[in-house]
Amino acid sequence: DIQMTQSPSTLSASLGDRVTITCRASQIIGSWLAWYQQKPGKAPHLLIHKASILESGVPSRFSGSGSGTEFTLTISSLQPDDFATYYCQQYNSYSGTFGQGTKVEIK
Amino acid sequence: EVQLVESGGGVVRPGGSLRLSCAASGFTFDDFGMTWVRQAPGKGLEWVSGINWNGGSIGYADSVEGRFTISRDNAKNSLHLQMNALRDDDTALYYCVRSSARDGFHVWGQGTMVIVSS
Repeated sequence: DIQMTQSPSTLSASLGDRVTITCRASQIIGSWLAWYQQKPGKAPHLLIHKASILESGVPSRFSGSGSGTEFTLTISSLQPDDFATYYCQQYNSYSGTFGQGTKVEIK
Repeated sequence: EVQLVESGGGVVRPGGSLRLSCAASGFTFDDFGMTWVRQAPGKGLEWVSGINWNGGSIGYADSVEGRFTISRDNAKNSLHLQMNALRDDDTALYYCVRSSARDGFHVWGQGTMVIVSS
């Protein structure tokens, strides 16, 4: 089974900061990597799929990069709406393993 | 409007059974794979089970293999999860999710809560 490891688990940052979250796969997954944002009491929301393709309506301050086993999610300038938990996931058409999550907190 | 609505959650004793259902609307159901993802209170996301567009390919997490059974009815635009031999650690919010290789786990329901407790 493919394992997904995110770092850090928690990130404290200020408004306007550039934030980077890393995700590592235990084996090569090509670009089959997605990023989700989840706020308390809400279902996760897909931000990025195929490692770097931004979902419609997602602000351009979010970006994804990487391939193979190493991936990053970057928020170029942290906004109040961005404080949430972020998950990476390797996926196919009907399965997928999630990372353990990164909580982005206000510093 | 694309929508997934889960039902069937509740409180059950350890060893008991529940059947979750998900009603899909607003899209061509048999164009997509479907999955169940759960989240225990205060914990992260865990993929539970998934089924491809025609039911020909199915997968389960190791933690539920042999106890849970996923199925779909394309004529009724519905997804199901039969959960048997439930354990305390199955307690979670269960999400129904539309999935595809094209764009990941793109559409999520609001979830149905399963509590396993004596």
